Amino acid sequence: GQNIDQPTEMTATEGAIVQINCTYQTSGFNGLFWYQQHAGEAPTFLSYNVLDGLEEKGRFSSFLSRSKGYSYLLLKELQMKDSASYLCASKAAGNKLTFGGGTRVLVKP
Amino acid sequence: DTEVTQTPKHLVMGMTNKKSLKCEQHMGHRAMYWYKQKAKKPPELMFVYSYEKLSINESVPSRFSPECPNSSLLNLHLHALQPEDSALYLCASSPGTGYQETQYFGPGTRLLVL
Repeated sequence: GQNIDQPTEMTATEGAIVQINCTYQTSGFNGLFWYQQHAGEAPTFLSYNVLDGLEEKGRFSSFLSRSKGYSYLLLKELQMKDSASYLCASKAAGNKLTFGGGTRVLVKP
Repeated sequence: DTEVTQTPKHLVMGMTNKKSLKCEQHMGHRAMYWYKQKAKKPPELMFVYSYEKLSINESVPSRFSPECPNSSLLNLHLHALQPEDSALYLCASSPGTGYQETQYFGPGTRLLVL
């Protein structure tokens, strides 16, 4: 089965750093994705981790520990446009993605 | 180009209507997906097509009928829907090679069933 947990909401200040944690229990785990979704829009791909460690992509970084069933998304130098929902999704066999409930991040001036 | 297009953007239909949602991608992807997303909830997988064959049906009611006419197109035929089927319907595609398989989403069709 699949079980993915992430916080519901986080608030941070412009220019700060925010870390969104995600824990998962996925049969046949085959990778962890992070997507950003602005209200009323489609999810857009941010990052993919399949091996343990940190992947850095500009202001966004993602970390995975397979043994702990844990990932985080790190957003640095927060900008107002980063206010959105951030979806953690685990991939199992058959290209099946299961999404967590999403974390709404509110960036304040 | 990582564009997936969907039409229509908005759809209002009665419970006795028959309508279709369309999705198109020209990235050469061989896997395509339908998701349903209710407000403030994550996307929920409905169907997966791999090389134009249905590979996953997440126990979706038969009033939703998917079709993959070719590798670029994916349709979702709707018939006798219920008001609770009102949601954002998202199409996605991925390479289908089995490696990474990043899914790219279309903008969605916002469906209202009256």
